[in-house]
Amino acid sequence: DAKTTQPTSMDCAEGRAANLPCNHSTISGNEYVYWYRQIHSQGPQYIIHGLKNNETNEMASLIITEDRKSSTLILPHATLRDTAVYYCIVRKLGGQGGSEKLVFGKGTKLTVNP
Amino acid sequence: DARVTQTPRHKVTEMGQEVTMRCQPILGHNTVFWYRQTMMQGLELLAYFRNRAPLDDSGMPKDRFSAEMPDATLATLKIQPSEPRDSAVYFCASDPGLAGTDTQYFGPGTRLTVL
Repeated sequence: DAKTTQPTSMDCAEGRAANLPCNHSTISGNEYVYWYRQIHSQGPQYIIHGLKNNETNEMASLIITEDRKSSTLILPHATLRDTAVYYCIVRKLGGQGGSEKLVFGKGTKLTVNP
Repeated sequence: DARVTQTPRHKVTEMGQEVTMRCQPILGHNTVFWYRQTMMQGLELLAYFRNRAPLDDSGMPKDRFSAEMPDATLATLKIQPSEPRDSAVYFCASDPGLAGTDTQYFGPGTRLTVL
């Protein structure tokens, strides 16, 4: 799986958009970009994933550059409850039958301030 | 709201004792993962199962750790004998096994302290 690079920490004001970048310059054509987050003392939580098109769900939006070497997770209106460590993971989609392991890096510690 | 459950949530034990952690995956999920999290190493995979069969346990110290799935509703992780360096939070996760989804659902974790 390709390696990812994320800033160690970021701050965001409550109510503003949080934009979390991720570099994955060695991503291969069949690898997806996944985002998980981990709120303090909880298990990681899936947020979103994509291959090359931008994706949006009820939690966030994922913007992937055309060359797929980087992406940005956008939380459109950050709240205090969004304070967490955000992990960007690049991996192949599992085949029929279930997913494969997740390889977590250090992630970005996002702090949403009142 | 289906969730992965783990017991116990906290465990304090002395070096040399056996520790058993349990996980109940979400009903119908066919893939179960065990991860460990420490400050130094972060989150790392220990082992995982699909349809109760072990697929990969390369991340697990074989001499003291063992993982099993006695049935589809229970996964166990045992450490015998435990050592202080095993102190960590152990997470279980399950996946529904639907092609194209690949979403792992994590439990709340078991915080293990070995004195």
